Amino acid sequence: EAQVTQNPRYLITVTGKKLTVTCSQNMNHEYMSWYRQDPGLGLRQIYYSMNVEVTDKGDVPEGYKVSRKEKRNFPLILESPSPNQTSLYFCASSLPGTSGRGDEQFFGPGTRLTVL
Amino acid sequence: GEDVEQSLFLSVREGDSSVINCTYTDSSSTYLYWYKQEPGAGLQLLTYIFSNMDMKQDQRLTVLLNKKDKHLSLRIADTQTGDSAIYFCAALSGGSYIPTFGRGTSLIVHP
Repeated sequence: EAQVTQNPRYLITVTGKKLTVTCSQNMNHEYMSWYRQDPGLGLRQIYYSMNVEVTDKGDVPEGYKVSRKEKRNFPLILESPSPNQTSLYFCASSLPGTSGRGDEQFFGPGTRLTVL
Repeated sequence: GEDVEQSLFLSVREGDSSVINCTYTDSSSTYLYWYKQEPGAGLQLLTYIFSNMDMKQDQRLTVLLNKKDKHLSLRIADTQTGDSAIYFCAALSGGSYIPTFGRGTSLIVHP
């Protein structure tokens, strides 16, 4: 089944304790993105990657890192989490030009992160 | 860059039509999308329209695009309680690879 998976789905942590949220897709997509969703602010892009070893900042990159060493994986790293990073995080992937559905973005199920 | 705006809430009665509106700023946008997010889930593509189209219909869904005013709307006919969700408008600017999303409109359907 074609899908984007994220782990963990739920995480409660404390300020300053490094964490990684994993994202993996099995569709051989080139493009991957991380978003955070906050009430009233909608979906904001954190980082995106257009291919292996190619990453770029989105709208709200401060406090986050990413890496793209393999095509299928795009982990999100919080080196020193703070309470303002409490949010719902989504990973997404796409393969422009071939989906036949207007370059559809495929989203993971989300990771709810709470930083105390 | 692209800016996408939509109202935050819409409340309708079951069986009525719902119309969710969206505006975008980049006239070079190629694809315009509507994504649906059900409670506790990720976003899923509901429908999309290419910029050279004015209208697209898919069962109970009608998408209207006014390129001159940079206005997109989603009409859901005979709205059901299962349509309660957050609906995101998104626009793909010419030359971009990943769309810009609006803040999402929470559709509440009551009996």
